[in-house]
Amino acid sequence: EDQVTQSPEALRLQEGESSSLNCSYTVSGLRGLFWYRQDPGKGPEFLFTLYSAGEEKEKERLKATLTKKESFLHITAPKPEDSATYLCAVHATDSWGKLQFGAGTQVVVTP
Amino acid sequence: DADVTQTPRNRITKTGKRIMLECSQTKGHDRMYWYRQDPGLGLRLIYYSFDVKDINKGEISDGYSVSRQAQAKFSLSLESAIPNQTALYFCATSETTSGYTFGSGTRLTVV
Repeated sequence: EDQVTQSPEALRLQEGESSSLNCSYTVSGLRGLFWYRQDPGKGPEFLFTLYSAGEEKEKERLKATLTKKESFLHITAPKPEDSATYLCAVHATDSWGKLQFGAGTQVVVTP
Repeated sequence: DADVTQTPRNRITKTGKRIMLECSQTKGHDRMYWYRQDPGLGLRLIYYSFDVKDINKGEISDGYSVSRQAQAKFSLSLESAIPNQTALYFCATSETTSGYTFGSGTRLTVV
């Protein structure tokens, strides 16, 4: 059975304190791994798609990386506006396009 | 205007009532999905539709039904609402192998 596990569940950072979020996955075959950002009371907003091990994507203070078993979302020198829940999702080869989501990591960045 | 619009944004209903949540999209995508989100459980798939004539159950379809009225419209119904259906509901759309575009969500409370 496909599984997606995110850790930690919650992360509290000081402004400027870099850290990483983890998304580990077990799937029969990976077609893509997605990262989303979700603000309270809003729908998830697309950040990145990664397709193969070794791939990296960057956007402002965020950088996503992918290995054969996990993905990391690195937050460099975070600001309070980076506070959100970050969701990871996988598109498995046998899923007919459906994404399976992890439970998310809630990030709070304090000034 | 938003690419994926959900109505209503908030709804309080009584146990046993029938309720419909509506979703419309301007992305031109064939695929549409309904998810519910509960704290600590992440996003769980209720129903999905790959085109107007194709409707499929997700992992938690009991107590729910859907209607795909057109390519752009996908409605979710709770036949007889119960308190444990209190959750945040999201509609999403996608192309075949891409990530999802989410609506802003409907916060449903069943009392």
